[in-house]
Amino acid sequence: TAGITQAPTSQILAAGRSMTLRCTQDMRHNAMYWYRQDLGLGLRLIHYSNTAGTTGKGEVPDGYSVSRANTDDFPLTLASAVPSQTSVYFCASSDLSGVHGYTFGSGTRLTVV
Amino acid sequence: GQNIDQPTEMTATEGAIVQINCTYQTSGFNGLFWYQQHAGEAPTFLSYNVLDGLEEKGRFSSFLSRSKGYSYLLLKELQMKDSASYLCAVLDSNYQLIWGAGTKLIIKP
Repeated sequence: TAGITQAPTSQILAAGRSMTLRCTQDMRHNAMYWYRQDLGLGLRLIHYSNTAGTTGKGEVPDGYSVSRANTDDFPLTLASAVPSQTSVYFCASSDLSGVHGYTFGSGTRLTVV
Repeated sequence: GQNIDQPTEMTATEGAIVQINCTYQTSGFNGLFWYQQHAGEAPTFLSYNVLDGLEEKGRFSSFLSRSKGYSYLLLKELQMKDSASYLCAVLDSNYQLIWGAGTKLIIKP
């Protein structure tokens, strides 16, 4: 089934440790996005990429980095995790115009302790 | 700045009708989306409006008025499985989605 795969599903991480959240899509979408979702705040954009080789900062980029080496993969890295990064992380993709909507992965629930 | 407003929570009765409103102020407009998100799951696409008027899709309808910066999602014949959060999002001038915080809909028997 075509779509987006995120891994891991959930993770408990010690503060100060690094971690990479993986995201892979097989729809050949040009654009990919990382969001975090916290209760009462809705979806907030962390980083995005409009095409392989390019990335951009969203609303809440601090503490996170991304890379887009190819069309399919868009990993999100936390270099040194802090408790405020406890959240549910969603990866999404779309065609470049976005008019057909975004397709979301199933999410990664991250707890930083 | 860009802003999307929708009620935080609504309650309705099984079998009834509910209307979830969304107002927006964004830099440019290339369409408005409604997504459904069940607890612990990813958002899923419900509807897309780019022209004024009503779009009907089964029990769900979505309305848009661009001049008023206003949309609503209408859910008819409510079922318990409709208990979820409903997210309003606008595609701005840069073709990026700006999201509302979502409306949690609680259905009571």
